Amino acid sequence: NAGVTQTPKFQVLKTGQSMTLQCAQDMNHEYMSWYRQDPGMGLRLIHYSVGAGITDQGEVPNGYNVSRSTTEDFPLRLLSAAPSQTSVYFCASRMDSYNSPLHFGNGTRLTVT
Amino acid sequence: AQTVTQSQPEMSVQEAETVTLSCTYDTSENNYYLFWYKQPPSRQMILVIRQEAYKQQNATENRFSVNFQKAAKSFSLKISDSQLGDTAMYFCAFMKHGGGGADGLTFGKGTHLIIQP
Repeated sequence: NAGVTQTPKFQVLKTGQSMTLQCAQDMNHEYMSWYRQDPGMGLRLIHYSVGAGITDQGEVPNGYNVSRSTTEDFPLRLLSAAPSQTSVYFCASRMDSYNSPLHFGNGTRLTVT
Repeated sequence: AQTVTQSQPEMSVQEAETVTLSCTYDTSENNYYLFWYKQPPSRQMILVIRQEAYKQQNATENRFSVNFQKAAKSFSLKISDSQLGDTAMYFCAFMKHGGGGADGLTFGKGTHLIIQP
């Protein structure tokens, strides 16, 4: 099984550019989420989705958009990148049960200059 | 809102020693889950162990065990017979039980554990 797949692994953007971080899972998980990891900050929740067509904001949603058109995919969009969005981004998914653990992708390191 | 505190930014021990990483949390919830995740230099987030708050018995997974003190809101991780491959960042995380709200994980800032040969 591929699990949770994130692309790209690395990306450099200029301020004001837009891009989409891709996330796909093949485990038929209903719940998917995006986190960002900054030095000394741990991971913080950006957006999450409990199923196709349903998304909601997490702790740090500003500057990011998400959509969930299929169960498998949960892309994260940066409409106008800012240096403050330089971070490592993780996508994670789990089954609908609260007792099930999160499965993380391998992360995308994004640098905004 | 929940908070998770890891008071040890970095720890270093010799191979084969036992090490304990501390974690405290603050919540008004009664039902919740606690986790320890390992992040090696590869950046991958790996679940080490989890604890359900309603279970009094401490969780164990091979060399990894926790000391869960619900009243004290403490959730420490003990690694026995430490190995070089245990070198990583370790994150403590909290998740409340039940629907509604952003039911994601709240992470601590992490402890960088170094196992010396």
